[in-house]
Amino acid sequence: QKEVEQDPGPLSVPEGAIVSLNCTYSNSAFQYFMWYRQYSRKGPELLMYTYSSGNKEDGRFTAQVDKSSKYISLFIRDSQPSDSATYLCAMQKTGTASKLTFGTGTRLQVTL
Amino acid sequence: EPEVTQTPSHQVTQMGQEVILRCVPISNHLYFYWYRQILGQKVEFLVSFYNNEISEKSEIFDDQFSVERPDGSNFTLKIRSTKLEDSAMYFCASGTGTATEAFFGQGTRLTVV
Repeated sequence: QKEVEQDPGPLSVPEGAIVSLNCTYSNSAFQYFMWYRQYSRKGPELLMYTYSSGNKEDGRFTAQVDKSSKYISLFIRDSQPSDSATYLCAMQKTGTASKLTFGTGTRLQVTL
Repeated sequence: EPEVTQTPSHQVTQMGQEVILRCVPISNHLYFYWYRQILGQKVEFLVSFYNNEISEKSEIFDDQFSVERPDGSNFTLKIRSTKLEDSAMYFCASGTGTATEAFFGQGTRLTVV
């Protein structure tokens, strides 16, 4: 079983839709959870992070962690064509600069 | 806004040659990382570096890889004898050491022919 699983998509939605992106993980040692956005042939850009279970909101983005189910989500409200990118979940076991373990990424296309 | 800078953006090299990938991390950061992404695959951790030594490395980071911080600003990844399977995007990242911060550069696309 992979440590982090993520549906690669592609996911195509119309502009203005609510997008739900998800990852599951198998290792209960993961404590920190991040979402990165990656445009084609660019580096990952940190969008949001959460520690332990709960929700965190930042503008149109909401990150959700359910540690009991080992399941994390990223919701994008009022999606825009500029949100079209690959979204990577990433996880970390400890807080002090330990390595990130990434999912494969979900490719999102927001159409006009 | 400060950013991580990587050079070159694209490097083509012959199999068996040595390559050095260069990175300038964000100036007040203390932790440095290399990740790679083979085309169509996930981003994979290679190595982390703190206080002038490797703090963690993956099984990918074998004896043909080395990292160095030759001066106060640069952070390099050397691949001694490149193989075809080393072809990938290599990302440098830096952070202050908290879980919230790992800023990635734009990557160097390495093509081994």
